[in-house]
Amino acid sequence: KAGVTQTPRYLIKTRGQQVTLSCSPISGHRSVSWYQQTPGQGLQFLFEYFSETQRNKGNFPGRFSGRQFSNSRSEMNVSTLELGDSALYLCASSLAGTGGKEFFGPGTRLTVL
Amino acid sequence: GENVEQHPSTLSVQEGDSAVIKCTYSDSASNYFPWYKQELGKGPQLIIDIRSNVGEKKDQRIAVTLNKTAKHFSLHITETQPEDSAVYFCAATHPTGNQFYFGTGTSLTVIP
Repeated sequence: KAGVTQTPRYLIKTRGQQVTLSCSPISGHRSVSWYQQTPGQGLQFLFEYFSETQRNKGNFPGRFSGRQFSNSRSEMNVSTLELGDSALYLCASSLAGTGGKEFFGPGTRLTVL
Repeated sequence: GENVEQHPSTLSVQEGDSAVIKCTYSDSASNYFPWYKQELGKGPQLIIDIRSNVGEKKDQRIAVTLNKTAKHFSLHITETQPEDSAVYFCAATHPTGNQFYFGTGTSLTVIP
């Protein structure tokens, strides 16, 4: 079975721009979670989607949004980028969330200049 | 919400020695505790997990122990090898949470 894939792997943007990151979960997995990883803050939960519905959201501003499609693929969008948004964005998938095994993709490294 | 604390933040051991990483959690409803290994430039990889109805689980050189009363769980790596060098994260979640809470990570260095 193929693992979780994320595209693109690297992105460079400038302040004020917006960005869309994509995640394809493991086949059969319906839950997709997104995390932001920075050296100072560790792994911070952004949001979790299941069957196209956002079930849980972390403590991030409204500039961070996401969605999930009927095939379970997910995208996250960050608008009006700030320097502090530079981070590794990780996507993880699980069968159904709620305490099941969660598998991570390789991440998208976003640099905001 | 849940709060997971992880110690130590860095750990250096000689090849062949054992390494132990400890985590505590605050929410007694948490019932699933995975451990992840993250190598440079890669996403976290699930290496072992334990549920609250089990006190210990072992997989070759790695083991995890859980003390529900004290609300702490530990990762044990025996006979460490240089390829064990990585950052290790613990996490906790509960059945209705739809969210994992992660520790702050332990950077393990195995010295050949």
